[in-house]
Amino acid sequence: NAGVMQNPRHLVRRRGQEARLRCSPMKGHSHVYWYRQLPEEGLKFMVYLQKENIIDESGMPKERFSAEFPKEGPSILRIQQVVRGDSAAYFCASSPRLSVAGENEQYFGPGTRLTVT
Amino acid sequence: DQQVKQNSPSLSVQEGRISILNCDYTNSMFDYFLWYKKYPAEGPTFLISISSIKDKNEDGRFTVFLNKSAKHLSLHIVPSQPGDSAVYFCAASGGGTSYGKLTFGQGTILTVHP
Repeated sequence: NAGVMQNPRHLVRRRGQEARLRCSPMKGHSHVYWYRQLPEEGLKFMVYLQKENIIDESGMPKERFSAEFPKEGPSILRIQQVVRGDSAAYFCASSPRLSVAGENEQYFGPGTRLTVT
Repeated sequence: DQQVKQNSPSLSVQEGRISILNCDYTNSMFDYFLWYKKYPAEGPTFLISISSIKDKNEDGRFTVFLNKSAKHLSLHIVPSQPGDSAVYFCAASGGGTSYGKLTFGQGTILTVHP
């Protein structure tokens, strides 16, 4: 039973380029979450998506960042015009059902390490 | 505003002894708590969780205790093994936001010496 898959594992972009990070949830999971971890910090929530819907994007920066989870294919986190401050590890997680009170285990992928030069 | 805090950046324990990792939170509306373990260059691995209607949950060597009045939870690992050496994160959900949002602490580095 494959876990959460993320690719690429490492991504290097120059300032001003676009970064696309992909996430395939665990089999049977229809809910996806994106988190960012800056050096020496904990993980910070970015966005929660269900197939074709954004449930909660309260952690997404207002500009340059977008996320989608189409009916077919992986979830994509897109960062336009990257800056050095975007360098971080980006983790995707999935769960089998809508997150409700008292039931919210999320299963994480290995992460994508983005380096902006 | 750090709503979930792990005040000990690191903890060193002898193999076979108990490891106790602590976590404090400030948002009294959090009602579900989780512990994750993370190795370098890997994603966090879910360990154990607890709902706010309980004060203890046990799974093998891992036990989580929740003290709602103190807004404090702890993870006990007994007996500790060298393979437990990793970064441990506590996380919370609820708090007036969507339950999909986990709020993480900064992590505690656990080192278990043989």
